[in-house]
Amino acid sequence: NAGVTQTPKFRVLKTGQSMTLLCAQDMNHEYMYWYRQDPGMGLRLIHYSVGEGTTAKGEVPDGYNVSRLKKQNFLLGLESAAPSQTSVYFCASSWGGEAFFGQGTRLTVV
Amino acid sequence: DQQVKQNSPSLSVQEGRISILNCDYTNSMFDYFLWYKKYPAEGPTFLISISSIKDKNEDGRFTVFLNKSAKHLSLHIVPSQPGDSAVYFCAATQKLVFGQGTRLTINP
Repeated sequence: NAGVTQTPKFRVLKTGQSMTLLCAQDMNHEYMYWYRQDPGMGLRLIHYSVGEGTTAKGEVPDGYNVSRLKKQNFLLGLESAAPSQTSVYFCASSWGGEAFFGQGTRLTVV
Repeated sequence: DQQVKQNSPSLSVQEGRISILNCDYTNSMFDYFLWYKKYPAEGPTFLISISSIKDKNEDGRFTVFLNKSAKHLSLHIVPSQPGDSAVYFCAATQKLVFGQGTRLTINP
């Protein structure tokens, strides 16, 4: 039982490149979330999903897209990376209450 | 706009004393509140929660108080221990939005 697994753990991108962050959970949770953590800003919600096939915008969705084709996976895409997207990204899943988090992905855009 | 706010970026408390972390929210539709603890280079871990139908929930050294009229919740840790040093986030459902966090330091 791995909980919430994020892939990759570290990545360096050049401005304009694209990439996808993968989040996988094995707890059969309906809800999944993507956050970014920046100094002094706390955890800001990018996008979330309340079930397979559904996605919704969070607090800071611009520049990101998501997909939830399978219940256990929630993908976060950056189509054209910008230095402002340098951050630590966290994925989480829940049944609607307590959420479980992955270990984070440190992304640097140069 | 920030729907969940933690106005104290940091707090320093002596070991054995009480730590009180505060959180304010603006959306009266929030029905469930949570506190998370985060160590560097790790994901946040759940600490304690409270439903909007309650005003207090206790779990060992941790107690969360909810004042709905003031849209305010607080986390009390007593007695504080060095291992409690971490960043604490409050959060509210249904979208699970978080505050900015408070860095708690427990001094021996």
